[in-house]
Amino acid sequence: DVKVTQSSRYLVKRTGEKVFLECVQDMDHENMFWYRQDPGLGLRLIYFSYDVKMKEKGDIPEGYSVSREKKERFSLILESASTNQTSMYLCASSLFGDGANSPLHFGNGTRLTVT
Amino acid sequence: SQKIEQNSEALNIQEGKTATLTCNYTNYSPAYLQWYRQDPGRGPVFLLLIRENEKEKRKERLKVTFDTTLKQSLFHITASQPADSATYLCALDHYGGSQGNLIFGKGTKLSVKP
Repeated sequence: DVKVTQSSRYLVKRTGEKVFLECVQDMDHENMFWYRQDPGLGLRLIYFSYDVKMKEKGDIPEGYSVSREKKERFSLILESASTNQTSMYLCASSLFGDGANSPLHFGNGTRLTVT
Repeated sequence: SQKIEQNSEALNIQEGKTATLTCNYTNYSPAYLQWYRQDPGRGPVFLLLIRENEKEKRKERLKVTFDTTLKQSLFHITASQPADSATYLCALDHYGGSQGNLIFGKGTKLSVKP
């Protein structure tokens, strides 16, 4: 079974702090994704990566950056955390980029609170 | 741009009945549509995928249909159990089948009462 592990379940940070959210997958998947999930807004894609050192913007990249130095690890960075970034953050991975043949495998999320 | 709607925020049914959840989309037909289950405090878990040229897909007590004329997918759980209580999400691609263009519905919270 694919395992996607997010380093923290809960995080509390102060406004203006630099925040790192880490995600590791153990199945040699090509693709990794960061979503945020908010009540009433659903899941929204922040960034994704099809390969090491490659990244693509999703629907809401503003205020975020990402890093993929190794295939199994995908980091989400909040350069200067703000209260409107309080949310549940979900990492996902998939074997291929073609969603018709490769569904997403999600981690259990990091609930980030910015005060 | 493509929009996706799951008509009910919540659905309450009695154990043993069939639960039917709806996912509607606007504009062009996607290459495929996926259904996920999400339990509180957990990430979504993939359940089923149906392609645009498939009318129906089954997996145990689950059935998904895809009607490109109505621009709708229906997700059925037969002989529902309290353990089926969860939020169910549908997802489809914007265009081209790439997962970078996958969009999710807001989900339907299903409660199955004993």
